[in-house]
Amino acid sequence: LAKTTQPISMDSYEGQEVNITCSHNNIATNDYITWYQQFPSQGPRFIIQGYKTKVTNEVASLFIPADRKSSTLSLPRVSLSDTAVYYCLVGDMSGRDDKIIFGKGTRLHILP
Amino acid sequence: DAGVTQSPTHLIKTRGQQVTLRCSPKSGHDTVSWYQQALGQGPQFIFQYYEEEERQRGNFPDRFSGHQFPNYSSELNVNALLLGDSALYLCASSLVSAGESYEQYFGPGTRLTVT
Repeated sequence: LAKTTQPISMDSYEGQEVNITCSHNNIATNDYITWYQQFPSQGPRFIIQGYKTKVTNEVASLFIPADRKSSTLSLPRVSLSDTAVYYCLVGDMSGRDDKIIFGKGTRLHILP
Repeated sequence: DAGVTQSPTHLIKTRGQQVTLRCSPKSGHDTVSWYQQALGQGPQFIFQYYEEEERQRGNFPDRFSGHQFPNYSSELNVNALLLGDSALYLCASSLVSAGESYEQYFGPGTRLTVT
């Protein structure tokens, strides 16, 4: 599984757009990029997943450059409730490798 | 609500004891994975069960064992508890046959404290 590198922590203010970048230099051809959100004492929650270019859902956008060696999770107009840990994961979607490898994630703190 | 349930919510055990944690997957899911999450760390993969068999295992000792039942629910057993086993234990379910193995749904976890 490709290793990922994310900032340990980030601060932002309510109403701002937050971008969290993840590096995955050794991403393989079959690997997808997935982001999870985790609040204290809760299990991680799936946010978004992509393979290349841009993916958008009702919660976030995921930008993936052509070389796929990094990705950026974009959270539009954050609120205090977006304070959480965000994990970037990279892996094979074929079903051959289903274990998820979490790093330490990025602790996002939203200020009023 | 992801639909994955875990019991108990909290548990306090003494060193050397044994513990069993339970998980019911999201309706329609056939695969259950277990994770250990120490304070301030990301979840660490313990093992995964599919079709009542352990399919993959992380770097955990044999003191950690599991089981999956015909209804896809699962148990995690930890023997000879150590202080270092204190953590949040997470269960996640997925539908492997759909090929969406990375969209795992997590339960709320069981907080285990070993004294």
